[in-house]
Amino acid sequence: GDSVTQMEGPVTLSEEAFLTINCTYTATGYPSLFWYVQYPGEGLQLLLKATKADDKGSNKGFEATYRKETTSFHLEKGSVQVSDSAVYFCALTPGWGNQFYFGTGTSLTVIP
Amino acid sequence: EAGVTQFPSHSVIEKGQTVTLRCDPISGHDNLYWYRRVMGKEIKFLLHFVKESKQDESGMPNNRFLAERTGGTYSTLKVQPAELEDSGVYFCASSRIGAQLFFGEGSRLTVL
Repeated sequence: GDSVTQMEGPVTLSEEAFLTINCTYTATGYPSLFWYVQYPGEGLQLLLKATKADDKGSNKGFEATYRKETTSFHLEKGSVQVSDSAVYFCALTPGWGNQFYFGTGTSLTVIP
Repeated sequence: EAGVTQFPSHSVIEKGQTVTLRCDPISGHDNLYWYRRVMGKEIKFLLHFVKESKQDESGMPNNRFLAERTGGTYSTLKVQPAELEDSGVYFCASSRIGAQLFFGEGSRLTVL
C-alpha cells in the first residue's frame, strides 16, 4: 500500500545552517506530495506541495522536488532560523480522494 | 474565516473511562477527516465524512471508537472504554470537495 518514510529526528541545527529532511514514498499511480509543519501549540499547516514529477514546491525558503525516479521528496532550506523550529511531516495523497498518508514526523530545533 | 477548531486541547482520563472529542470544521466544508498520531509515530487516517455520511472508516482501530457528524456540521469522536494505547493526538481536518485540507490543532488524549 501507499506509505511515506521520512528521516527520523530529532534534528538540532544552529541558526543559518543548511537543512535537509529526507522523505521517500511508496505509491501506486501518481500521488501528490506534501510537506506539513506543526509549530509549537499550533495545528498542522501546509508548507509546500508538488503534484507531478519534477515539480518543485517552495515556501518560506523551503524547497522540495518531486523525484519520481528516486521516489523522493526531500525538504531543504539553505539557512534555517530559530522560528523554523517545529515538527515536519512528509505526506502523500493518491491520485484520487483526499486520504493522506503521513510520515512519522521530524522534530527540528534551531538554536541561536 | 475561522479555522478548524478542536476541543478539548488536552484530556487526561483513566483507563476504562469515556472521552468525547469534538471538531468544528470550517464553514461550508463538506469533507471532514479524523487522523491520529500515537506516541510519535506517523499520523494515521481514521475516517472520512462527506457531510453527515461516513465515506470511509477503514482506519478506525476497533469498535471502541465511534464517530458521528449529525447534521453534517461538527463531528464527535467518542472512545469508550478508553485503553492505554489510545493515547495520542487526534487531528481533525476539513476541506471543500476536491480542495486543500485544513487541519485543526489537535486534541491530545492521555489515558492513565
